Amino acid sequence: GAGVSQSPRYKVAKRGQDVALRCDPISGHVSLFWYQQALGQGPEFLTYFQNEAQLDKSGLPSDRFFAERPEGSVSTLKIQRTQQEDSAVYLCASSLSRTSGSRDFGELFFGEGSRLTVL
Amino acid sequence: AQSVAQPEDQVNVAEGNPLTVKCTYSVSGNPYLFWYVQYPNRGLQFLLKYITGDNLVKGSYGFEAEFNKSQTSFHLKKPSALVSDSALYFCAVSAGYSSASKIIFGSGTRLSIRP
Repeated sequence: GAGVSQSPRYKVAKRGQDVALRCDPISGHVSLFWYQQALGQGPEFLTYFQNEAQLDKSGLPSDRFFAERPEGSVSTLKIQRTQQEDSAVYLCASSLSRTSGSRDFGELFFGEGSRLTVL
Repeated sequence: AQSVAQPEDQVNVAEGNPLTVKCTYSVSGNPYLFWYVQYPNRGLQFLLKYITGDNLVKGSYGFEAEFNKSQTSFHLKKPSALVSDSALYFCAVSAGYSSASKIIFGSGTRLSIRP
């Protein structure tokens, strides 16, 4: 399909391992967001890209979290030395809009998420 | 800083009755407000948004929301609930004053429609 694709869907890691989560946005979508959703909670903002530029990374919980989008399309969220509190669903969303003034601002298309369990 | 609150963890409504899911927000400047829905084992889906203009916004599946600036609220409503409306609903806000405005989500309200 033409939706946002995330992989892997499920990842089990031992504490201390590094993990990489991939997001394939909808083709042509300029904006890309990463969110963390703990069980029973709302999505918590992690970081935001506009093309390849990371415009806001204020939500990344520690320097163990790193995100990149080198060619302005596929994005990877990397978590180093995973801890149990990192267990959550990581959501990726993309949007066609570039700025808050555009007609379709805020209309995010979400992937189904990558569920990370750290043992 | 921007924030959004959904005071009800769960809302229970009988099918055919009107429903309201509450949302209040805090943001500097003019808010951009959104509602998203999450069905079981599905990704979040956009329902509707308020950017400017008419305070009553209509969206997908017969839902609407009313922006109230004085009460800083953006409650989601539907005149007649369906069992298929049962899902998790999230309100979201953006400050909207720059091209880099992030979108912040509330904690969610589980809507349960009984037949």
